[in-house]
Amino acid sequence: LAKTTQPISMDSYEGQEVNITCSHNNIATNDYITWYQQFPSQGPRFIIQGYKTKVTNEVASLFIPADRKSSTLSLPRVSLSDTAVYYCLVGYTGRRALTFGSGTRLQVQP
Amino acid sequence: NAGVTQTPKFRILKIGQSMTLQCTQDMNHNYMYWYRQDPGMGLKLIYYSVGAGITDKGEVPNGYNVSRSTTEDFPLRLELAAPSQTSVYFCASNGRDSSGANVLTFGAGSRLTVL
Repeated sequence: LAKTTQPISMDSYEGQEVNITCSHNNIATNDYITWYQQFPSQGPRFIIQGYKTKVTNEVASLFIPADRKSSTLSLPRVSLSDTAVYYCLVGYTGRRALTFGSGTRLQVQP
Repeated sequence: NAGVTQTPKFRILKIGQSMTLQCTQDMNHNYMYWYRQDPGMGLKLIYYSVGAGITDKGEVPNGYNVSRSTTEDFPLRLELAAPSQTSVYFCASNGRDSSGANVLTFGAGSRLTVL
């Protein structure tokens, strides 16, 4: 199983760009990298997914270097509502057991 | 689409009691998962299923059992509840969303307290 390592916590201010990096040194060829956001008392929800290079959607960007041993979630101009825990998950549909790392607790201040 | 539905939302059990947490999904996903999340901690995989009739253990299966008789339903049973099983339980299913991404869709969670 691909093990992931993320910073335990990060602090930011409203309007700043936040970059959260995840390390996954033993990522397999078939694995995708997916990021989830979790608010207190809620289940995680999907943010973005990528395989290599850069992916962008309406809420975030995901940067994956050529060796794919790490990935960076970029949140542009964060707001208070972005305060949450962010998890990166490495796997693919055929990988049966999907296990999460400890996640990164992002605190956005005014 | 209701997505993933979990019941009950809250439950208090006495030590030694048993109960079943229900999980239903209407997305026709083959892969389903049960996670537990202790306060301030990450998600730990309890059991998962790759299709009807097929289940397997995750990281923390002790004290739990599952079954998967249909694609839609994946109940989690707690036998002989213990205080260490006090947690929030999340069910999830895995499948492609409208953009083609392979996504876990989670239920709202079931908060269980064992006293």
